[in-house]
Amino acid sequence: KNQVEQSPQSLIILEGKNCTLQCNYTVSPFSNLRWYKQDTGRGPVSLTIMTFSENTKSNGRYTATLDADTKQSSLHITASQLSDSASYICVVKQSNYQLIWGAGTKLIIKP
Amino acid sequence: ETGVTQSPTHLIKTRGQQVTLRCSSQSGHNTVSWYQQALGQGPQFIFQYYREEENGRGNFPPRFSGLQFPNYSSELNVNALELDDSALYLCASSLDPQGRETQYFGPGTRLLVL
Repeated sequence: KNQVEQSPQSLIILEGKNCTLQCNYTVSPFSNLRWYKQDTGRGPVSLTIMTFSENTKSNGRYTATLDADTKQSSLHITASQLSDSASYICVVKQSNYQLIWGAGTKLIIKP
Repeated sequence: ETGVTQSPTHLIKTRGQQVTLRCSSQSGHNTVSWYQQALGQGPQFIFQYYREEENGRGNFPPRFSGLQFPNYSSELNVNALELDDSALYLCASSLDPQGRETQYFGPGTRLLVL
């Protein structure tokens, strides 16, 4: 069954600290993996898109990694800010139009 | 701001009614996808339109239908509303129906069915 699982479900960290969010997937055939940030009640905003051949991609303080062999991805946030409080969703695209969405990790940054 | 707009922002309907949600895609984007997001869950793919034709559909019943217009704006229609249809409905536009390009999401329409 095609699935995307994220962990932890929620995370609370202090402003300025780093954190890493995990994504494991069983989606096949694989096309690309995306990370989105979604503020409460708003549409998701794309952070990164990685294809099979890409191991790391950065977008400012966000760095995503992909291990296509183990079917794992991570999103590392450096020097967290209060505005980073949001849900972070991992999405895997199959080699057609289908996108398989994870349930997200709810991140709360405390001052 | 992504340039993708949706209307209305909020809507309240009763069971059995019909609803039409609208989406204006980012300028030049020929592909629009619709998603349903229940509270606390990830978005579920409803369908995708490319150049006015439906070219992909998720696991949603036929009472969920759509349209795409020549200017690439789109509508999502839901007939015979059920309580479980209460959710945030998101549309996303992109340049590529194969999903190789970034999708840009609108702010969503929050639908409540009573």
